Amino acid sequence: SQTIHQWPATLVQPVGSPLSLECTVEGTSNPNLYWYRQAAGRGLQLLFYSVGIGQISSEVPQNLSASRPQDRQFILSSKKLLLSDSGFYLCAWSLGSLQPQHFGDGTRLSIL
Amino acid sequence: EDQVTQSPEALRLQEGESSSLNCSYTVSGLRGLFWYRQDPGKGPEFLFTLYSAGEEKEKERLKATLTKKESFLHITAPKPEDSATYLCAVNTGNQFYFGTGTSLTVIP
Repeated sequence: SQTIHQWPATLVQPVGSPLSLECTVEGTSNPNLYWYRQAAGRGLQLLFYSVGIGQISSEVPQNLSASRPQDRQFILSSKKLLLSDSGFYLCAWSLGSLQPQHFGDGTRLSIL
Repeated sequence: EDQVTQSPEALRLQEGESSSLNCSYTVSGLRGLFWYRQDPGKGPEFLFTLYSAGEEKEKERLKATLTKKESFLHITAPKPEDSATYLCAVNTGNQFYFGTGTSLTVIP
């Protein structure tokens, strides 16, 4: 069966510091991968998605970037964090664009 | 504008008191509607996919239905462990749109 791992679970970072969140999927090949941010009472906002290695689509202009160095690895990065980057970040995978997405347990990011 | 709206925002039920959660959508070209359960501090857990009007899916005390404009998640005789936030999402083929969820609390 497929599993998705996301880490760290919580992270506290100072403003202006860099960020790297990692997500890996096991038990499947060539999944679609997604990064979301979830703000309280505002639903999930799609940040990036990828249909293959090195292929990244950005949904929202922002202070973040994503990379997919391996088939089942998805990384969310920032060079300099802003206060507004605080939130709950979720990684997800699916077998195709019409298939349900399956989520990791998220990273709670707090910027001080 | 494509939009997904869930109601109510919050719902408190006594154990055993059945009810329904609503997900209404205005999108051009529905390719699928998904229901998720989300526990505090966790990622959403996939429950159901519905693809066409009239379709129904069931799992334990949950039953999801779909019409051309909305979906209902019916909860029959809920238990305290059903307490969670329930999210719906609509897929148009190009985009996934998530609602803001219904927070369900089941009181013993």
